[in-house]
Amino acid sequence: GENVEQHPSTLSVQEGDSAVIKCTYSDSASNYFPWYKQELGKGPQLIIDIRSNVGEKKDQRIAVTLNKTAKHFSLHITETQPEDSAVYFCAASNQGAQKLVFGQGTRLTINP
Amino acid sequence: GAVVSQHPSRVICKSGTSVKIECRSLDFQATTMFWYRQFPKQSLMLMATSNEGSKATYEQGVEKDKFLINHASLTLSTLTVTSAHPEDSSFYICSANPRQGARDTQYFGPGTRLTVL
Repeated sequence: GENVEQHPSTLSVQEGDSAVIKCTYSDSASNYFPWYKQELGKGPQLIIDIRSNVGEKKDQRIAVTLNKTAKHFSLHITETQPEDSAVYFCAASNQGAQKLVFGQGTRLTINP
Repeated sequence: GAVVSQHPSRVICKSGTSVKIECRSLDFQATTMFWYRQFPKQSLMLMATSNEGSKATYEQGVEKDKFLINHASLTLSTLTVTSAHPEDSSFYICSANPRQGARDTQYFGPGTRLTVL
């Protein structure tokens, strides 16, 4: 089955700098890759997703890149702000299977 | 759009009792709903997948007689933790796939914190 590895487990950056979180997946049939932000005591919130027919997607300060050949995808946050502090999860799924397989999560801390 | 609610947000119960958690998609119909549990500082673990009107599919290691799932309509799924014990204390989160549009996208509820004394 699918296996998703996420790195780093913790990341601390200065406010205004960029943050990058990376994930790798094992199943070449996976074709959908969402990213979720989870704040303490809350459910995960979808922040951006990408499908395998595109290599990059951007939404304001957030971007995701996908390398299907290498089976990895990354989340990029630019001009970080204190409210970006949270745990971020990547995930992968095969549309036919519907199930999401999650990475281990990255605790991002933005230092003022 | 794509709002999922859960009720209750927190519940404390005595060992041996049963607890029901509701998951509702408020502004869309859901083809499929999912139930996860999450332990502190860990990732989400899928417990089961449910489709409206059919039996839930449980992940390996999840006891179907202990975690009863009912998906009565396209907007409501319930999880009942039967004969709860302290080891069942966890954060339970549901998610839903919309029936129309991006059907592989999962929208998550706010979670339910269960504490079993």
